[in-house]
Amino acid sequence: SQQGEEDPQALSIQEGENATMNCSYKTSINNLQWYRQNSGRGLVHLILIRSNEREKHSGRLRVTLDTSKKSSSLLITASRAADTASYFCATTRLNFGNEKLTFGTGTRLTIIP
Amino acid sequence: DAGVTQSPTHLIKTRGQQVTLRCSPKSGHDTVSWYQQALGQGPQFIFQYYEEEERQRGNFPDRFSGHQFPNYSSELNVNALLLGDSALYLCASSPRDQGGMGEQFFGPGTRLTVL
Repeated sequence: SQQGEEDPQALSIQEGENATMNCSYKTSINNLQWYRQNSGRGLVHLILIRSNEREKHSGRLRVTLDTSKKSSSLLITASRAADTASYFCATTRLNFGNEKLTFGTGTRLTIIP
Repeated sequence: DAGVTQSPTHLIKTRGQQVTLRCSPKSGHDTVSWYQQALGQGPQFIFQYYEEEERQRGNFPDRFSGHQFPNYSSELNVNALLLGDSALYLCASSPRDQGGMGEQFFGPGTRLTVL
């Protein structure tokens, strides 16, 4: 079963705007990761945030984590057409160190040139 | 350095048949996980192999089985195929010594269609 929900399910913005997507999860976690998937193919790892971290940056990506609310957000700044893809959050559970990933339902992002 | 590779890319089978999907992990990785992704959904964990043994299993029936070889490559077998088994099957690899705290590297997937 899915770990949680992502919001919104779909998002369309103009190129150059910022895109924000949210993820909620259900159980205590070791870390939360964001992945991108283009056209139903393999997933590409974007960023990982540990349960004791609140914010992390990587290039145009900014991730926040609120463990009290069991939620995370991914911000993509200055969006580009190449950012068009589906984005998934995935978690690993607390005290389970073997990297089983539990994915959310995904947000489909469309960047309009 | 080759990443995770999977074969075949696409596969069409009929109900009741059996299928075998293959995965070669990224160089230096010894742990392989398999995921099933139905259309419009997030991937769901099937099972994970390390040291040629199944270490974790998701909520999938026994029709789904796997194997890991000494060179760390892996196979996913599905018996008695159902229409609902149609999905993208993803293989992911990772090094065991990262202690479960890192990213997984995914292959391009095998698209299975059951008619």
